[in-house]
Amino acid sequence: GDQVEQSPSALSLHEGTGSALRCNFTTTMRAVQWFQQNSRGSLINLFYLASGTKENGRLKSTFNSKESYSTLHIRDAQLEDSGTYFCAAERGGSAKLIFGEGTKLTVSS
Amino acid sequence: EAAVTQSPRSKVAVTGGKVTLSCHQTNNHDYMYWYRQDTGHGLRLIHYSYVADSTEKGDIPDGYKASRPSQENFSLILELASLSQTAVYFCASRDISNERLFFGHGTKLSVL
Repeated sequence: GDQVEQSPSALSLHEGTGSALRCNFTTTMRAVQWFQQNSRGSLINLFYLASGTKENGRLKSTFNSKESYSTLHIRDAQLEDSGTYFCAAERGGSAKLIFGEGTKLTVSS
Repeated sequence: EAAVTQSPRSKVAVTGGKVTLSCHQTNNHDYMYWYRQDTGHGLRLIHYSYVADSTEKGDIPDGYKASRPSQENFSLILELASLSQTAVYFCASRDISNERLFFGHGTKLSVL
């Protein structure tokens, strides 16, 4: 079936640094959403993208439907950015969102 | 921000017993979803609903039923709970206008 592959599975950053998380899709997806799951287990919606790039503070996300991938860039990482980041994607004509397995981010001082 | 409330927050059930997880949203969203999350993994879709009185099967519907009696309420029912259904269950609703998905805080279910 349709799959969403996230990488890396785990990432460690020092405060003030940055990196990129990636999702690859095995089929053409219509849109993607990114979520942060914090230490309490709550899932927070970060972005919804049907195309292009969106930015919010220190986070920036890009979705390339044609090449079947999406990225989430984190810059100037802070301790509170620690958590697990999930992407979820959907095909055209479907309301089903398929989740990746997540990237566990640890930010240290 | 969308408000999605799940109850209970946690539950211990016995094998073979019936479990009902409830979800209530106050933002007039049409779409609602039930996902399960096993420790250290992503979320898998159990059931979802486009509109009241209608539900659709997700990717792992076996052993679960869903009920959407109104736009605001969406329940997940385990008729015969099994050990393998121990997990955290998340309900979500979706805003049609901007298509973003909003989650409740989750229900931790332990089946013993």
